[in-house]
Amino acid sequence: DVVMTQSPLSLSVTLGQPASISCRSSQSLVHSDGNTYLNWFHQRPGQSPRRLIYKISNRDSGVPDRFSGSGSDTYFTLKISRVEAEDVGIYYCMQGTKYWYTFGQGTKLEIK
Amino acid sequence: EVQLVESGGGPVQPGGSLRLSCAASGFTFSSYWMHWVRQAPGKGLVWVSRINDDGSDAIYADSVEGRFTVTRDNAENTLYLQMNSLRAEDTAVYFCARDKSGSIEYWGQGTLVTVSS
Repeated sequence: DVVMTQSPLSLSVTLGQPASISCRSSQSLVHSDGNTYLNWFHQRPGQSPRRLIYKISNRDSGVPDRFSGSGSDTYFTLKISRVEAEDVGIYYCMQGTKYWYTFGQGTKLEIK
Repeated sequence: EVQLVESGGGPVQPGGSLRLSCAASGFTFSSYWMHWVRQAPGKGLVWVSRINDDGSDAIYADSVEGRFTVTRDNAENTLYLQMNSLRAEDTAVYFCARDKSGSIEYWGQGTLVTVSS
């Protein structure tokens, strides 16, 4: 299995300040087709997850541009340029490159 | 609008069985691979199973291999998860989700399965 390790596991951020979450994979996520299938999801309490980012850095429709993804191979980062109140919840990275998908443990974001 | 609506969850005793359903609408169901993902209370997301578009190939997490079976009825636009020999550790919200090229693009609202005596 590909193990996905996120850090930090919790984050307390002042409104308007930046936030950053890292995700490391135990194996390279570069697929034989040349793509890297690293995704980021956000889950608010009591809701289903929502995809924010796919293939490292592609934002989904409707996702604010304050969210950005970067990285390569085994190390990836989700950045929020200016945290807003609606950003609270848990963020998960997920790899879709290897045989079955695996998620990181999740990073809980709260407002300070 | 893509909609995935799970049903079939509920309480069940250890060793029992349950079949979850996921009704899909708003897209051509038969064109997409589908997944089941679960989330134990207060815990993270765990991938459970994936089935390909025509139902001919399915894979499972080690924790459910041999006990769970995923199937689909493309004529009825429905995904299923047959869960047998249930254990306390299978207690979770089960989400069905639509695949898109190495990703999960859409999620249902989930259905809660509680395994307890």
